[in-house]
Amino acid sequence: GEDVEQSLFLSVREGDSSVINCTYTDSSSTYLYWYKQEPGAGLQLLTYIFSNMDMKQDQRLTVLLNKKDKHLSLRIADTQTGDSAIYFCAEIGGNQFYFGTGTSLTVIP
Amino acid sequence: DVKVTQSSRYLVKRTGEKVFLECVQDMDHENMFWYRQDPGLGLRLIYFSYDVKMKEKGDIPEGYSVSREKKERFSLILESASTNQTSMYLCASSHGTTETQYFGPGTRLLVL
Repeated sequence: GEDVEQSLFLSVREGDSSVINCTYTDSSSTYLYWYKQEPGAGLQLLTYIFSNMDMKQDQRLTVLLNKKDKHLSLRIADTQTGDSAIYFCAEIGGNQFYFGTGTSLTVIP
Repeated sequence: DVKVTQSSRYLVKRTGEKVFLECVQDMDHENMFWYRQDPGLGLRLIYFSYDVKMKEKGDIPEGYSVSREKKERFSLILESASTNQTSMYLCASSHGTTETQYFGPGTRLLVL
């Protein structure tokens, strides 16, 4: 399978920006995704970016894609306690989704 | 809104028991997936189905089987549960294989 890598943990203070990073392996991925998993819940689609884009902004969320380095990042501006969750990046390889290990974001009040 | 439901949020079973995990989606999606989620390992694909009565092995199918008799329902079966199958099981569905996947709330299974 593909290797999609993320840091396991990130802590930020409320009001600061959070940046969650992801590296992927399949350069032919057409879409790359960010999912959010709140405690005790399933995964919820947060945002996605098409592979021919460098950046996508959606309210407090900014996704940056560096295709050359196969690097994807999710920036959350003005991080709130409700943003505490596990964030998964995912790529499509062939006909299958590959998920990263997930980054557990803790927001400190 | 897409809704994916799973039959149980929590299950406790004994080693050797046969376990059924049920998943139902209401959006007429062709594709359905079963993953397991373990700390530090992310999501790993067990099986997926792209049509009724069709199934494909994912990355870790050993010890599991699936059934898709109706389009909206995808069942994961542990023929003889073992302690190393203690995990969170997540079901997902999508319209196309490479389209956005929508997830259920998960079933946390403990095998004693």
